[in-house]
Amino acid sequence: GAVVSQHPSWVICKSGTSVKIECRSLDFQATTMFWYRQFPKQSLMLMATSNEGSKATYEQGVEKDKFLINHASLTLSTLTVTSAHPEDSSFYICSARDPRDSNQPQHFGDGTRLSIL
Amino acid sequence: EDKVVQSPLSLVVHEGDTVTLNCSYEVTNFRSLLWYKQEKKAPTFLFMLTSSGIEKKSGRLSSILDKKELFSILNITATQTGDSAIYLCAVDFSGGSNYKLTFGKGTLLTVNP
Repeated sequence: GAVVSQHPSWVICKSGTSVKIECRSLDFQATTMFWYRQFPKQSLMLMATSNEGSKATYEQGVEKDKFLINHASLTLSTLTVTSAHPEDSSFYICSARDPRDSNQPQHFGDGTRLSIL
Repeated sequence: EDKVVQSPLSLVVHEGDTVTLNCSYEVTNFRSLLWYKQEKKAPTFLFMLTSSGIEKKSGRLSSILDKKELFSILNITATQTGDSAIYLCAVDFSGGSNYKLTFGKGTLLTVNP
């Protein structure tokens, strides 16, 4: 079945560092990928929709200059948290759906746990 | 505003009990409703429901959708400690040019031995 791979799974870094997270679709081409953020004991919140070959669509309240999204190929989207601060510490998850079958659900990567010291 | 509401937010039961988790929604351009199970990592897919009244089953889990009343339930029978997790309900709807998911806050299920 469709598989989405996310890397890295853990990041611990100092405040002010920029962190890049990769999301890959392994056996299908994803023109659209989704980035979510989940704070402890809260649900997944959609941050942005990543569109191959065009600008990402950000949800209300999400700073596009803070969370840079690049979807340079049909199998890879990246999320860069620029100048990360402790309040950016969270669980970041990407997802994608195989466009060949609209009846398939979104499949999630394993997530990236980001801790900013 | 589109929203998905799950209840209860948390539930503690003993092994062998049957539980029912609820999800109600208000969205425009509804496409499907999905249930996911989340343990320590990302959510794993359980069910996708698009039509009313058709029960989906997988082992001890089952789910059904009511598109008229705008809700879904997830049943787990003969619960086991391994069922302990957060159960997330999400609605797939058309948001502009993309379909996207809106999640409820989840139900934290704890199954005690």
